[in-house]
Amino acid sequence: EDQVTQSPEALRLQEGESSSLNCSYTVSGLRGLFWYRQDPGKGPEFLFTLYSAGEEKEKERLKATLTKKESFLHITAPKPEDSATYLCAVPEPGANNLFFGTGTRLTVIP
Amino acid sequence: DTGVSQDPRHKITKRGQNVTFRCDPISEHNRLYWYRQTLGQGPEFLTYFQNEAQLEKSRLLSDRFSAERPKGSFSTLEIQRTEQGDSAMYLCASARGPTPEAFFGQGTRLTVV
Repeated sequence: EDQVTQSPEALRLQEGESSSLNCSYTVSGLRGLFWYRQDPGKGPEFLFTLYSAGEEKEKERLKATLTKKESFLHITAPKPEDSATYLCAVPEPGANNLFFGTGTRLTVIP
Repeated sequence: DTGVSQDPRHKITKRGQNVTFRCDPISEHNRLYWYRQTLGQGPEFLTYFQNEAQLEKSRLLSDRFSAERPKGSFSTLEIQRTEQGDSAMYLCASARGPTPEAFFGQGTRLTVV
């Protein structure tokens, strides 16, 4: 059973068109939820860690929020340079590594 | 600042050959991870080191794969008798102390022909 499910798989936005990406998780005893950005052919770049329901973090046009069952990555007035795949991940139960979702591929059209 | 460094960036090899990748973590990061990523998927955990000790290995890790981290510094990942199914991006990540955030390198793209 998947521990992390991301939706949508792909999203096309016009420049300036705000939207949200979803990450739902099923692990109990959450030890953090992580968001990464990945450009084609490159390694994931760390964005945020969220630990408790109600927590929010912001970076430029991105804001991540967390509830007891899901996290949202809100993108406000996106620009073409925000185009990337956005990955969310949670720690594997009882382990030190992260379990990643399959990502949302975001394309922002000028 | 020297982030996580991986070498080589690209490797093309013939099926059956052995390959070795190197990862240099961020200085003073005692935790090091190897992940594998195929097209359209998220990174998949392979193995984890704390200092020089290999503490966790994925059940998916074939016995053709071996990893080392001598002296708790750089790490190597070797794949013996490569198969076409080994074609993927191999990612290394490092983290410091108890902080859970891991920082990734740019990866090594392996193509087995």
